Amino acid sequence: GENVEQHPSTLSVQEGDSAVIKCTYSDSASNYFPWYKQELGKRPQLIIDIRSNVGEKKDQRIAVTLNKTAKHFSLHITETQPEDSAVYFCAASKTNFGNEKLTFGTGTRLTIIP
Amino acid sequence: EAQVTQNPRYLITVTGKKLTVTCSQNMNHEYMSWYRQDPGLGLRQIYYSMNVEVTDKGDVPEGYKVSRKEKRNFPLILESPSPNQTSLYFCASKPHSQETQYFGPGTRLLVL
Repeated sequence: GENVEQHPSTLSVQEGDSAVIKCTYSDSASNYFPWYKQELGKRPQLIIDIRSNVGEKKDQRIAVTLNKTAKHFSLHITETQPEDSAVYFCAASKTNFGNEKLTFGTGTRLTIIP
Repeated sequence: EAQVTQNPRYLITVTGKKLTVTCSQNMNHEYMSWYRQDPGLGLRQIYYSMNVEVTDKGDVPEGYKVSRKEKRNFPLILESPSPNQTSLYFCASKPHSQETQYFGPGTRLLVL
């Protein structure tokens, strides 16, 4: 089955600097890669996703890049703010032929230092 | 208000006592899933359903059952809970494949 590795497990960044979280996946047939943000005591929420036919996607301060050849994808947060402090999870899915398995990474705790 | 609801939110039980955690969504979503969240392990998918009467195993289905008799409901059943099923459980739904998935508030389960 799919295996998703996520690094780093913790990340501290000065407010205003950029943060990068990296994930690798094992199944070359995976074609959908969402990122979730989970604030303390809250439910996960989708912040951005990317499909395998796209190499990069941006949404304001957040961007995701995908390298299918190397089987890795990354989350980039620019101009970080205190409210970006949370745990971030990457995930990979092979959504075809009736398969909706979603495998998550183990999470990155991001702390923004004021 | 569009939402995913779970009940109960907190549950303490004993080994072997059957329990059901309910999940309901009011968004007419086709896809629903159950996940468990454990420290250091992230979120792991237990079961998913792509429509009524269509369910399939996720990565950690052992010890769990699900059913999807109606589109809006997707209960998680633990026939004989064990302490290693102590966890935070999330239900989620989405309209179609590769679309935004919405999580419920979570159910914290302690099995003694």
